[in-house]
Amino acid sequence: DTGVSQDPRHKITKRGQNVTFRCDPISEHNRLYWYRQTLGQGPEFLTYFQNEAQLEKSRLLSDRFSAERPKGSFSTLEIQRTEQGDSAMYLCASSLESRNEQFFGPGTRLTVL
Amino acid sequence: AQTVTQSQPEMSVQEAETVTLSCTYDTSESDYYLFWYKQPPSRQMILVIRQEAYKQQNATENRFSVNFQKAAKSFSLKISDSQLGDAAMYFCAYRGFQGGSEKLVFGKGMKLTVNP
Repeated sequence: DTGVSQDPRHKITKRGQNVTFRCDPISEHNRLYWYRQTLGQGPEFLTYFQNEAQLEKSRLLSDRFSAERPKGSFSTLEIQRTEQGDSAMYLCASSLESRNEQFFGPGTRLTVL
Repeated sequence: AQTVTQSQPEMSVQEAETVTLSCTYDTSESDYYLFWYKQPPSRQMILVIRQEAYKQQNATENRFSVNFQKAAKSFSLKISDSQLGDAAMYFCAYRGFQGGSEKLVFGKGMKLTVNP
């Protein structure tokens, strides 16, 4: 039984570059969530998908951020023109139903120099 | 907006002893879930225990139990017979259902150290 996987686990980039992260949810989970966690804080919600539809977006998700979930399977989170303030752990989670537990992946740690 | 507060940034406990982690939250909803998640160092977050607000009985999972006080909006986690593997960051989280939102709202977390 595989859990939620994320790739890459670590990403170092220079300010102004674009980065893309991938999340593979637990198979058959129709809900997929993205969170951001900065040092010393709890995760903050970014966005969520039910199948391929993006149903909720946080105000934290600026115009530089875009997320997709084509075909309702894996998801990608792209950050354009990265800024130092984007440095954080990006967590992905999935769940089977609305009232079910969210299972988290190991996260992608982004460092913007 | 819902908020979750964990006022203790760090705690320590002796192995085999009992420790209680506190959490308060603010909401106007009547239907919601509360969670405690554990995040070990450099490892992924895992669910420790869940409480549905409509249930009066406090949730229990082996050595982990909660004290859910709905009127006081308090949700504490008790860890009995603490083990070295319990050392981690612990996050309290809230999940409401108003407006179809599915987001979890987390507290800032609390670092638990278990001393041998």
